[in-house]
Amino acid sequence: EAQVTQNPRYLITVTGKKLTVTCSQNMNHEYMSWYRQDPGLGLRQIYYSMNVEVTDKGDVPEGYKVSRKEKRNFPLILESPSPNQTSLYFCASSYGAAGANVLTFGAGSRLTVL
Amino acid sequence: AQSVTQPDIHITVSEGASLELRCNYSYGATPYLFWYVQSPGQGLQLLLKYFSGDTLVQGIKGFEAEFKRSQSSFNLRKPSVHWSDAAEYFCAVGAISGNQFYFGTGTSLTVIP
Repeated sequence: EAQVTQNPRYLITVTGKKLTVTCSQNMNHEYMSWYRQDPGLGLRQIYYSMNVEVTDKGDVPEGYKVSRKEKRNFPLILESPSPNQTSLYFCASSYGAAGANVLTFGAGSRLTVL
Repeated sequence: AQSVTQPDIHITVSEGASLELRCNYSYGATPYLFWYVQSPGQGLQLLLKYFSGDTLVQGIKGFEAEFKRSQSSFNLRKPSVHWSDAAEYFCAVGAISGNQFYFGTGTSLTVIP
């Protein structure tokens, strides 16, 4: 089954404790992206990647890092999480440029930073 | 800059009634337009998309949307709502050659029996 898999689905952590949210897709998509969803703000893009070793900032990249060492994986790294990063995170992927293609989303990862 | 506006934060309709969710966009060229639906606890799923051609597009689950260039709108409609349609709906715009995708803030739909 074609899908985007995120882990963990739920996580509670404390301020400053590094964490990684993994994202993997099995569709051989070039494009991958991370979004955060907050009430009243919709989805905002954090980082995206057009292909292996090619990443770029979205609208809200502060406090986050990403890497794309393999085509299928695009982990989101919070080096020193803070409470304002408490949010629902989605990974998504598509063929080619995101603007012209349909995004396939993961089920989401709900992160709470205390 | 590109932007998407969904003026209705929350809508309540009765089961069987018709539905229209509004979406307005701001974009310098012809955009690619999408509607996604997010059921509780789930990721987003594509309902329909408009790239070019016929301005009335059909999607899954009986939804349709109409692109009106003069009004910069892409409203989502359904003639008869089912209880299972209760969800959050997002309008989105993408660029032909862009790497970014812009979402509206979403409209939450409640369906009452």
